Amino acid sequence: DAMVIQNPRYQVTQFGKPVTLSCSQTLNHNVMYWYQQKSSQAPKLLFHYYDKDFNNEADTPDNFQSRRPNTSFCFLDIRSPGLGDAAMYLCATSTYRASNQPQHFGDGTRLSIL
Amino acid sequence: AQKVTQAQTEISVVEKEDVTLDCVYETRDTTYYLFWYKQPPSGELVFLIRRNSFDEQNEISGRYSWNFQKSTSSFNFTITASQVVDSAVYFCALSEASYSGGYQKVTFGTGTKLQVIP
Repeated sequence: DAMVIQNPRYQVTQFGKPVTLSCSQTLNHNVMYWYQQKSSQAPKLLFHYYDKDFNNEADTPDNFQSRRPNTSFCFLDIRSPGLGDAAMYLCATSTYRASNQPQHFGDGTRLSIL
Repeated sequence: AQKVTQAQTEISVVEKEDVTLDCVYETRDTTYYLFWYKQPPSGELVFLIRRNSFDEQNEISGRYSWNFQKSTSSFNFTITASQVVDSAVYFCALSEASYSGGYQKVTFGTGTKLQVIP
């Protein structure tokens, strides 16, 4: 089945130690998104890629970076994680110019900071 | 700016009861799309339904039904004969048709946590 896969499901890192979360998709969708979701809150969009075109949300901290080496993969890099970055990180995809289409989400990576 | 309000933070029902989750939205666009997603404890957001702003027909899918009323800007979701497996957080979301560069602007509500007690 076509899907969105996130690895790992759970990630523990130390305060200030860089961490990378990965997302892959077999849907061949042009757009990939990264969301941050804290406990009992709505998902918050961090940034998205349309193909290789990177689009950062205005309020996304510089600590968060992303890479998309090809259509299938997208990475979220947190350069110096702080305690406030502990959250669930969700990757999603959608087709181009399809605001009427649902986004397809992965299972998420739950990040803990020690 | 678009906004989605889910006033119910948490709801508890006993199995087999019906339950309605409320969603109220604000948008200036005349063309927009509304969604409901389910997020079980495992974390994945699962798409349930999409509704276009120009189609006010209500919809029923098994035990699920949706009531879209443009006049009150509401898109409510009812689960009939609830089951324990329905326990999850449910998000209502709004997507405007106006976009740039392929970006689908989606606004999520804060979610309603539903607990179905056996």
